Formats: sequence, structure tokens, C-alpha cells
Amino acid sequence: ETGVTQTPRHLVMGMTNKKSLKCEQHLGHNAMYWYKQSAKKPLELMFVYSLEERVENNSVPSRFSPECPNSSHLFLHLHTLQPEDSALYLCASSQDRVASGGEKFFGPGTRLTVL
Amino acid sequence: AQSVTQLGSHVSVSEGALVLLRCNYSSSVPPYLFWYVQYPNQGLQLLLKYTSAATLVKGINGFEAEFKKSETSFHLTKPSAHMSDAAEYFCAVSDRIGGSQGNLIFGKGTKLSVKP
Repeated sequence: ETGVTQTPRHLVMGMTNKKSLKCEQHLGHNAMYWYKQSAKKPLELMFVYSLEERVENNSVPSRFSPECPNSSHLFLHLHTLQPEDSALYLCASSQDRVASGGEKFFGPGTRLTVL
Repeated sequence: AQSVTQLGSHVSVSEGALVLLRCNYSSSVPPYLFWYVQYPNQGLQLLLKYTSAATLVKGINGFEAEFKKSETSFHLTKPSAHMSDAAEYFCAVSDRIGGSQGNLIFGKGTKLSVKP
């Protein structure tokens, strides 16, 4: 595997389910990110991890819970989601938060549908 | 606060025609600027970036962008469109100050269609 990988690529869940999104980066980077991409809205930064420590949480509801067990893996735990949470969730990584002016490397995303 | 505006949510060109996607930014400090491309069902891929070196930046797939400070613009161009260029394009500015340094602020995107 190369770059940034995400699983699953598609996920359908009910509002009472609990599920997790997984991201893995194979680039030796030290920072990882979760973004939400909804139709007709700019990409929204959700969480930032640097050296496995959460350094930013952009007012994301508590039904989204991130976890970064090491510098290569990032999870997004989901529970009691709402239909408006349906979106493409993108993971990204970078060498560090400011390397190359802030350049990020993105995974292919998980398309989440909440019924 | 920094921001990005992409003019035109949808641009359509004929194959072989010039591609011009517009991006204007707002920044209180010299910006770092990026163009990303997103093909259907894929993540974002970096096309090119401006980080205070040459104002004309060349990227992948024949794209280039020119940083114009006086116009606060960073428009993306390609001389001759290919069918494979059909995708959504995002302009982004990097936050360079404070606790959110390094965060990317994205525009809403421009969907490019290429007609045969």
C-alpha cells in the first residue's frame, strides 16, 4: 500500500449504529487530519493530530470521536449520527503541520450515508 | 482571517480549448496557495502550490497558475483541455499565523466539464 488509505470506502448506517472509519498513511508523516466534504459546502476540517496528540477540534459534535493510536493510523468513531452527517469523510496527512506551506496528502475518502 | 473565493461553481469547455479556473484569496500575510483536483469517487490530489518562490507555478498534467499579488488572484490555466481533465478543482490558502498555522482553507470548488 502507498499513500493514504481509508476503509471502508462506503458505509451505510442507521442513526443508532456505532461504526468506525479507519485511515492509514504509509508516508512517514507526523500529522493526520479528518475532513468532512458535503455537497455545496467547502471542505471542513474536523480534527488535527500532531505526533498522536489532538491539537485541534473544530467544534465537532461529540457523536464523532477521533482516535490516533500511532502516527500511521487514525480512526473516526461514529455513534448516534444524524442524516445530515451523510458526507464524504476524507483523511489526510502531512510531514508536520506546517511543512511545505501546509501541503496535505489525501486518502480516497469514505462515503457515509446515515439513514 | 484568510479566505478563498472560486468564481464559477461549474465551467464547461470544449476539448482542446483553454481552461481557466478562477481563484481569489484574502490574506493578511503573504499566502501559501494550492490547487487540488478531485476525480469522481476519489480524494484530493495536489496539482500545484505557491510558496513564495516563482510567481508562475507549473504543476502536473499541464496545469499552471500565476500568483498575482496586486489582484489577490491565483487562477489555474491549461492551454488545451483533455477529456480526462473533467473533475472538480479546489483552490486553498494555508493559514500562516496562530494556533491554526498550516491549516488549509478551501474554496467551494469548481466542477470542470470537457465536451468532445
